[in-house]
Amino acid sequence: ETGVTQSPTHLIKTRGQQVTLRCSSQSGHNTVSWYQQALGQGPQFIFQYYREEENGRGNFPPRFSGLQFPNYSSELNVNALELDDSALYLCASSRPDTYEQYFGPGTRLTVT
Amino acid sequence: DQQVKQNSPSLSVQEGRISILNCDYTNSMFDYFLWYKKYPAEGPTFLISISSIKDKNEDGRFTVFLNKSAKHLSLHIVPSQPGDSAVYFCAAAPGAQKLVFGQGTRLTINP
Repeated sequence: ETGVTQSPTHLIKTRGQQVTLRCSSQSGHNTVSWYQQALGQGPQFIFQYYREEENGRGNFPPRFSGLQFPNYSSELNVNALELDDSALYLCASSRPDTYEQYFGPGTRLTVT
Repeated sequence: DQQVKQNSPSLSVQEGRISILNCDYTNSMFDYFLWYKKYPAEGPTFLISISSIKDKNEDGRFTVFLNKSAKHLSLHIVPSQPGDSAVYFCAAAPGAQKLVFGQGTRLTINP
């Protein structure tokens, strides 16, 4: 069984730029959630995708957007990067209507 | 507002003893609770969960206790092993969409 994978591992961007992060869900999972983890904090929910539609959103501005593809993989896009966007971005997959989410290793984004 | 709180940033326990990690929550609409373990440079790993209709769930060395009246849950690890040294996150679910995490507790198991 293949676990959740994310790419890239690390990324450095400049303020104002745009970034795309990618996630492949665990085999058998069709729901993908994205979280932002700032240093010293717990992960914060950004949004969830199910059947290629957004299925819930946390308190993040519209410049955070996402996509889910027919193979259940997903992208997180962030426009107009700000310094505070520097964080670890985690992707998690799950089966629908289950609570347990399984996380990938994350992408470390640094905005300078 | 911090709906899930882990008030101890760190905990140090001797190998072989019991580790007890605590978590408090404020939202009575949470209906499911989970514990995750995180090593550096890895994503959180699911450990154990409990539904709000139960007060205890056990899996090997890990037991989670839920006290709904106090809005408190705890994770017991016994016996503690060196490989248990990690950051532990408590999470609560108001539905199957999102998880609300605490700030984490760094557990160190001393030989």
